[in-house]
Amino acid sequence: NAGVTQTPKFRVLKTGQSMTLLCAQDMNHEYMYWYRQDPGMGLRLIHYSVGEGTTAKGEVPDGYNVSRLKKQNFLLGLESAAPSQTSVYFCASIAGGAGPEAFFGQGTRLTVV
Amino acid sequence: AQKVTQAQTEISVVEKEDVTLDCVYETRDTTYYLFWYKQPPSGELVFLIRRNSFDEQNEISGRYSWNFQKSTSSFNFTITASQVVDSAVYFCAPPDFGNEKLTFGTGTRLTIIP
Repeated sequence: NAGVTQTPKFRVLKTGQSMTLLCAQDMNHEYMYWYRQDPGMGLRLIHYSVGEGTTAKGEVPDGYNVSRLKKQNFLLGLESAAPSQTSVYFCASIAGGAGPEAFFGQGTRLTVV
Repeated sequence: AQKVTQAQTEISVVEKEDVTLDCVYETRDTTYYLFWYKQPPSGELVFLIRRNSFDEQNEISGRYSWNFQKSTSSFNFTITASQVVDSAVYFCAPPDFGNEKLTFGTGTRLTIIP
């Protein structure tokens, strides 16, 4: 049972390039989340989804887009990467509602040069 | 919307000392959950505990204990007889029932000195 898997684990981008981060969960969870983690800033919510075909903005959505075409996958896109988007990105999923605990991916370390 | 404050940015204690991590939350909900997660140096995030707002009993799990007090809106985490393996960043989190968001406090970095 893989849980939550993020792809890729590491990536270096040049300013202006685009990329997509993939989060896949095999637990049939309804809710999925994307966070970024920067030193001293904790985990900040970028976007989230409460079900297939739905997305919503979190605390720091600018510069990112997301899609949830399939229940098991939640994609995070950077259309034109900027150095300020250098961060560690985490994906999480929850079975449903606000009660269950979150399961996290292992993180993606992204560097934009 | 829910919000948590973890006022302690970094804490260092000598091994075997007890240490308490503070979490103060804000909520307009009458029913809510609170969570603690741990992020060791390896980077993964691990669930530690969930607390329902209806249950104000303290919880103990081995060397870990949690003190939930509705009156002060606090959900503090105590490690007894700390060990080097407890070194990590600890996050408190209050899910937002109304908007289904899951946001985190800024975390407390705990360093246990051997």
